[in-house]
Amino acid sequence: AQKVTQTQTSISVVEKTTVTMDCVYETRDSSYFLFWYKQTASGEIVFLIRQDSYKKENATVGHYSLNFQKPKSSIGLIITATQIEDSAVYFCAMRANTEGADRLTFGKGTQLIIQP
Amino acid sequence: GPKVLQIPSHQIIDMGQMVTLNCDPVSNHLYFYWYKQILGQQMEFLVNFYNGKVMEKSKLFKDQFSVERPDGSYFTLKIQPTALEDSAVYFCASSPYTANTEVFFGKGTRLTVV
Repeated sequence: AQKVTQTQTSISVVEKTTVTMDCVYETRDSSYFLFWYKQTASGEIVFLIRQDSYKKENATVGHYSLNFQKPKSSIGLIITATQIEDSAVYFCAMRANTEGADRLTFGKGTQLIIQP
Repeated sequence: GPKVLQIPSHQIIDMGQMVTLNCDPVSNHLYFYWYKQILGQQMEFLVNFYNGKVMEKSKLFKDQFSVERPDGSYFTLKIQPTALEDSAVYFCASSPYTANTEVFFGKGTRLTVV
């Protein structure tokens, strides 16, 4: 079965700095897809960035980037130049190609607080 | 980005009554999902739906739950009868294809069973 673990419950950083959120995953599939979502204070869930397991290059979208370490089953999210509006709960999620193919398995989330 | 619409945003219902949660998926998406989130916790998969059929459901998808999308209209989650433990936020989601594409979520329906 798939499992996604986010050990950081809450992180607080000062605005304009860089923050990294950790995520490790478990799957028996050789091909899988990793996603980061954020949940805003209003409850809205917003897709941020994805990493395909067969790609060696780390994905980057805007001020979000990923640190994909496949041997460690790790997919960290890096946010550079943080802004107040980045305050949210960040969820790591995985979707595999065969095992439980059509469901996202989520971690428990990391609350990010950006302070002025 | 693509929008998934959920109606209503909040529903309060007496235990034992029936409730229907409505979802309008992204228009060209083929796969539809319901997820459940209990306050402050992770989201958990309930069910997925493709081509008019349930493809996969989790242990959380009790016998009292059902889904349908009649004639390409709303994708609905019906709970009959409701129980106190059904209180949660229910998120509808859709994606164009499986596995290697992003899943887009609605804003959720907060269901309170009293």
